[in-house]
Amino acid sequence: AQRVTQPEKLLSVFKGAPVELKCNYSYSGSPELFWYVQYSRQRLQLLLRHISRESIKGFTADLNKGETSFHLKKPFAQEEDSAMYYCALSGRGNYGQNFVFGPGTRLSVLP
Amino acid sequence: ETGVTQSPTHLIKTRGQQVTLRCSSQSGHNTVSWYQQALGQGPQFIFQYYREEENGRGNFPPRFSGLQFPNYSSELNVNALELDDSALYLCASSLISGRDLREQFFGPGTRLTVL
Repeated sequence: AQRVTQPEKLLSVFKGAPVELKCNYSYSGSPELFWYVQYSRQRLQLLLRHISRESIKGFTADLNKGETSFHLKKPFAQEEDSAMYYCALSGRGNYGQNFVFGPGTRLSVLP
Repeated sequence: ETGVTQSPTHLIKTRGQQVTLRCSSQSGHNTVSWYQQALGQGPQFIFQYYREEENGRGNFPPRFSGLQFPNYSSELNVNALELDDSALYLCASSLISGRDLREQFFGPGTRLTVL
């Protein structure tokens, strides 16, 4: 079964501290992995995707196929990073294209 | 360039009724995906349409159906509504170019309440 897990519902860190949002997945094949973010009162938007290997707003994520993980990291958290973060995968399912989102982690960056 | 729009913003229905939700894709996009997001959960993929044909489907029963029109706008229809269908319904448009699915752009959602 295709599945995405995010073990932390809520993660609180102080401004300037490192942050790591965990994501694990199960998929038989080569999925594409994404991180989406939703800031307060805004739409869900793409933060980054593993194939682009970019750093967006200081965030990076490395796909570890051995551990089936795609953790999101930032060395120094900012207050404006406070938001809901969703890990997601895209691949082929039983009925064609499939997308699976995790339950999300709410990041709260404290002053 | 206009973004993804959805209508209506809120809707209240009773169990057993039928509902149609609408989505207008971002200009230049040829693909639309629909998601159901229950309170406190991540979005769940319902289906995707590419050039007016269903291109993929999640684990939703046949009473969830859709259409994509030549102008790439889309509808989500749900028949025989159940209480558990109460959720935020998100539409996302994107561009498939070759084999590459580009970034999905999400709409603001339609909040459906089933009583």
